[in-house]
Amino acid sequence: GESVGLHLPTLSVQEGDNSIINCAYSNSASDYFIWYKQESGKGPQFIIDIRSNMDKRQGQRVTVLLNKTVKHLSLQIAATQPGDSAVYFCAENTGSGGYNKLIFGAGTRLAVHP
Amino acid sequence: NAGVMQNPRHLVRRRGQEARLRCSPMKGHSHVYWYRQLPEEGLKFMVYLQKENIIDESGMPKERFSAEFPKEGPSILRIQQVVRGDSAAYFCASSPRGLPYEQYFGPGTRLTVT
Repeated sequence: GESVGLHLPTLSVQEGDNSIINCAYSNSASDYFIWYKQESGKGPQFIIDIRSNMDKRQGQRVTVLLNKTVKHLSLQIAATQPGDSAVYFCAENTGSGGYNKLIFGAGTRLAVHP
Repeated sequence: NAGVMQNPRHLVRRRGQEARLRCSPMKGHSHVYWYRQLPEEGLKFMVYLQKENIIDESGMPKERFSAEFPKEGPSILRIQQVVRGDSAAYFCASSPRGLPYEQYFGPGTRLTVT
């Protein structure tokens, strides 16, 4: 189930289940989006990206969905494994000022239970 | 090809001291970004630099914080007269061409102000 912690919302899933992590972005002009995974004590790691002219993109065990109408992004992880436990961030590229600039969302903690 | 390197990994400073954080980008990368992350929060953009130039420092506090990326050597984020509120993880990312999907993150420096 999903619960809201002190700051980061947490999604708890059983190993083998599918996980869906959601993100609302702010700028309707953003043209590119990235999902990052951050493990404890490490820097963010690129997972998957999607351009604004697409609504779905699939990778290995991961799928990103983009709904520009409601400015919503989701990350689906199939057959979630204990190694997927981490904090997941979405980031939008605003592209303002003539250069690329990433704005990160607040993050969701994914806890995978055996 | 070594990844983005940051040092020190952990830094403890007393209030009023200076903190100097170093970021060595990946080989061939001339774009550097600094982000700050408070516990249980997302990454907040601070500054974007290219070699010898500050492109965007809109996320950096006006006082006490400065950043540079000299022609030779690492990028430096300097915090003067640190206060407890500066305690955070500071991440840098580098990119070869300033494209959003090419930002590779370092492991971060965890600054603790006592």
